[in-house]
Amino acid sequence: NAGVTQTPKFQVLKTGQSMTLQCAQDMNHNSMYWYRQDPGMGLRLIYYSASEGTTDKGEVPNGYNVSRLNKREFSLRLESAAPSQTSVYFCASSITAGASNYGYTFGSGTRLTVV
Amino acid sequence: KQEVTQIPAALSVPEGENLVLNCSFTDSAIYNLQWFRQDPGKGLTSLLLIQSSQREQTSGRLNASLDKSSGRSTLYIAASQPGDSATYLCADGGSQGNLIFGKGTKLSVKP
Repeated sequence: NAGVTQTPKFQVLKTGQSMTLQCAQDMNHNSMYWYRQDPGMGLRLIYYSASEGTTDKGEVPNGYNVSRLNKREFSLRLESAAPSQTSVYFCASSITAGASNYGYTFGSGTRLTVV
Repeated sequence: KQEVTQIPAALSVPEGENLVLNCSFTDSAIYNLQWFRQDPGKGLTSLLLIQSSQREQTSGRLNASLDKSSGRSTLYIAASQPGDSATYLCADGGSQGNLIFGKGTKLSVKP
């Protein structure tokens, strides 16, 4: 089925370990995003990429790095995981043209626990 | 900095009732206003998108309105059903699609 695919769906890390969350979309969208969702805080933007080769910081970028590998793939890396990064991570994509964006599609999420 | 607020945080209604979910925002210079649905343990599903130049959008039993001057959007659900139970989130679209979300309203429709 067309859409946004995230892997893995669940992960437990020890403090200080590193990992990469993978995201791929097959809708030919130009923009991709990483959000985290925490109880009481809602969804917050970590990083986004308006086009292949470009990335920009969102509201909560500290402790994360991203790579827009090609138009389809946008990965999120935790270099040294901390308990504060325990969260549900969502990847999304959309079509952005000028000041308009539409077709927003979310993946099913990655539940990450850092112990 | 844009802030998006949704009140109430939770709402319970009997099946068949018409209901309105509220969303307010502090900066009227929004690009668009989007409504999403999130089921427990799932990702978000886009429901409606209202461009800045529009006043409302409709899809089936859902109608969303936008009043930039008052900083408000509403999502109207007609003839609610138990299958409508979910968390509903509104979001300011942002200049590059970087959404700013409210914290959501958790809706429960009782049979």
